[in-house]
Amino acid sequence: AQSVTQPDIHITVSEGASLELRCNYSYGATPYLFWYVQSPGQGLQLLLKYFSGDTLVQGIKGFEAEFKRSQSSFNLRKPSVHWSDAAEYFCAVGPMDSSYKLIFGSGTRLLVRP
Amino acid sequence: EPEVTQTPSHQVTQMGQEVILRCVPISNHLYFYWYRQILGQKVEFLVSFYNNEISEKSEIFDDQFSVERPDGSNFTLKIRSTKLEDSAMYFCASTQNTGELFFGEGSRLTVL
Repeated sequence: AQSVTQPDIHITVSEGASLELRCNYSYGATPYLFWYVQSPGQGLQLLLKYFSGDTLVQGIKGFEAEFKRSQSSFNLRKPSVHWSDAAEYFCAVGPMDSSYKLIFGSGTRLLVRP
Repeated sequence: EPEVTQTPSHQVTQMGQEVILRCVPISNHLYFYWYRQILGQKVEFLVSFYNNEISEKSEIFDDQFSVERPDGSNFTLKIRSTKLEDSAMYFCASTQNTGELFFGEGSRLTVL
């Protein structure tokens, strides 16, 4: 069965510091991979996605993520965090079957220290 | 930019009442979904819908839940007899067939 693991429930970083949020997946083939961000009380905004090709993908708001097949990982990074980045971040896996549904990780809450 | 819209944004209901949550997916999309997020928890898949029928559903999607696309634009989720544990944010999503899901802003359901 497909699954997504985000091992960090909370992460706190100082504004201006770098950030890496971890995501590991379990899936029998190369999946579609996504990162979504959710601000409090808001919906899900797509940050970036990986379907195939270059394993380093760029997203919105200065985020990037790297797909590492050997580690079954798709970690999200940002070189310099802004206070407005404080939110919940969800990694998601899209099975390449006919339903195109996504399976989400449990999320990582990012807190930013001034 | 086209977007998925959901109504209502927040609904409060009494336990045992029926609730209908409405979604207007992006117009040329073919696949539609409902997800649920209980407060502070992960986003959980409920059901996918394609070609006017359910293509997949999770174990959460029991007989109390149903979905419908009544008029070619709306996509609804009905909960027949709400329970306290149905309190959650419900997200609608759609995709053309690219695997990238577009989510609505969500409908918060509070069951008292």
